[in-house]
Amino acid sequence: AQSVTQPDIHITVSEGASLELRCNYSYGATPYLFWYVQSPGQGLQLLLKYFSGDTLVQGIKGFEAEFKRSQSSFNLRKPSVHWSDAAEYFCAVATGGNKLVFGAGTILRVKS
Amino acid sequence: DGGITQSPKYLFRKEGQNVTLSCEQNLNHDAMYWYRQDPGQGLRLIYYSQIVNDFQKGDIAEGYSVSREKKESFPLTVTSAQKNPTAFYLCASSTREVYGYTFGSGTRLTVV
Repeated sequence: AQSVTQPDIHITVSEGASLELRCNYSYGATPYLFWYVQSPGQGLQLLLKYFSGDTLVQGIKGFEAEFKRSQSSFNLRKPSVHWSDAAEYFCAVATGGNKLVFGAGTILRVKS
Repeated sequence: DGGITQSPKYLFRKEGQNVTLSCEQNLNHDAMYWYRQDPGQGLRLIYYSQIVNDFQKGDIAEGYSVSREKKESFPLTVTSAQKNPTAFYLCASSTREVYGYTFGSGTRLTVV
């Protein structure tokens, strides 16, 4: 069965520091991968997605992610974190029928 | 502007009562989904519908029911058979050709 693992439940970084959120997936075929962000009490907003081609994808708000097939990973990165980036981040993989399977999420805290 | 509207934002229910959560979209999307979110568990799929008058169970359908009589609407009923209904419920929609969802802003259901 398809699954997504986000190993870090919480991450705290200082404002201006770099960020990497980890995501590992289990899926037999070529995966379609996504990162979403959720502010408290809100819905999810799509940050970026990978379908094929260049393994480094750019998203909104200065985020990027790199697909590494050999490691079954799709880690999210940002070179310099802003206080407004504090939120919960979800990695997801698309399965047959355009259903998404989500990881448990990583809560990002930003220290000033 | 196109989007997904979930209502109400907060909902309180007495034990033993059924309650219906509304989800309406004006994006002309074919597919619609209901997810349940609990802290530390990510999003779990309850039901989904890829076309009007058709829907399928997701991973945690027990105690829930849905209908899809119109393309724009996909209401979710939480029945008294759902043993632990207190959660945050998210509705999403997508086209069938392009992967990735648009989410509503959610309904927080509390059983009192």
